[in-house]
Amino acid sequence: SQTIHQWPATLVQPVGSPLSLECTVEGTSNPNLYWYRQAAGRGLQLLFYSVGIGQISSEVPQNLSASRPQDRQFILSSKKLLLSDSGFYLCALGLAGTRTDTQYFGPGTRLTVL
Amino acid sequence: AQSVTQPDIHITVSEGASLELRCNYSYGATPYLFWYVQSPGQGLQLLLKYFSGDTLVQGIKGFEAEFKRSQSSFNLRKPSVHWSDAAEYFCAVGAMGNTPLVFGKGTRLSVIA
Repeated sequence: SQTIHQWPATLVQPVGSPLSLECTVEGTSNPNLYWYRQAAGRGLQLLFYSVGIGQISSEVPQNLSASRPQDRQFILSSKKLLLSDSGFYLCALGLAGTRTDTQYFGPGTRLTVL
Repeated sequence: AQSVTQPDIHITVSEGASLELRCNYSYGATPYLFWYVQSPGQGLQLLLKYFSGDTLVQGIKGFEAEFKRSQSSFNLRKPSVHWSDAAEYFCAVGAMGNTPLVFGKGTRLSVIA
């Protein structure tokens, strides 16, 4: 079965600093990959999704970016963090070849911007 | 475009009582429907999904959900709630192909003794 790893688990960063969150998956090939954010007390906000290496779709224009340098690696980045970037970041995979994506989620990264 | 409404932001039930969490969706074609659960500080775990066939779907942890096309609903039920069921529950709808699921805003479940 598939496994999703997210690194780091928690992160505290100052405003204006750069960001790099990593998501890696095991146990499947050519998955669809997703980045979501949960702000405190809010629902899931889809940030980016990718259907293949180098293919990124952005759902929300903001100071975040995503890259997929390898089939099973998905990276979320920022050049300069804002206070509003604080939240819980979730990586998810969707199994390719199914009628629709059944998404499976990683453990998440808690980001606090001070 | 798809959309999902979870009308209840927060529900409190007594341990041992039955539970029903509501989910209404909007989608023009046959929907693919999901329920996820999220414990505090954790990722989301898939409880169950409906693609086709029997409209009553069994999931993990004793949960079930019923798809009612006429009501555009996919409500989650459990006959007897345990304290460990306290969590956030998300309903989601999917469309054919490589498109992201659309999630509801979630329902927080509290369980009291």
